[in-house]
Amino acid sequence: AQSVTQLDSHVSVSEGTPVLLRCNYSSSYSPSLFWYVQHPNKGLQLLLKYTSAATLVKGINGFEAEFKKSETSFHLTKPSAHMSDAAEYFCVVSDSSYKLIFGSGTRLLVRP
Amino acid sequence: NAGVMQNPRHLVRRRGQEARLRCSPMKGHSHVYWYRQLPEEGLKFMVYLQKENIIDESGMPKERFSAEFPKEGPSILRIQQVVRGDSAAYFCASSPETHSYEQYFGPGTRLTVT
Repeated sequence: AQSVTQLDSHVSVSEGTPVLLRCNYSSSYSPSLFWYVQHPNKGLQLLLKYTSAATLVKGINGFEAEFKKSETSFHLTKPSAHMSDAAEYFCVVSDSSYKLIFGSGTRLLVRP
Repeated sequence: NAGVMQNPRHLVRRRGQEARLRCSPMKGHSHVYWYRQLPEEGLKFMVYLQKENIIDESGMPKERFSAEFPKEGPSILRIQQVVRGDSAAYFCASSPETHSYEQYFGPGTRLTVT
């Protein structure tokens, strides 16, 4: 069975400093991996996706993630945090071709 | 091109009443998925539908919950005889036929059972 673990429930950074949100996955075959962002009382927005192409994936708003098969990781990074990045972030693995399996989420706080 | 639309955005029901949640997929999308998000948790898959067909309902509770996606009109998630534990955010997503992993989410319906 596939699963995803987000290692931090909360991450706090200062504006302008780098962001690192950690995610490890478990999969019996080559997975599709995603990061979604959820702003308060809003729906989910797709930040980026990995589907067995380039291992370094660039997404929207300056975010990127690197697929590391040897470490079964798909960490999300951004060089410089902005106040508007404060939100809940979900790492997601795809089971078969359609069932998305969500991590428990990481809440990002950005301090001024 | 309008995104996935869900209504109502907020729904309050008393215990024992029925809740009916609607989802209109993006234009050109024929696949619909429903997910539930309990407080402080990630989303959990409930059901996958195509027009007039339930493809996978493995995440649906066995009783009181049902879903449909008719030939015409929105997809409906129906919860009968609601209980407090049904209070959650219910998200609908849709995808094009050939890329079912590319799911676009609606804003969700927040159901509160009093």
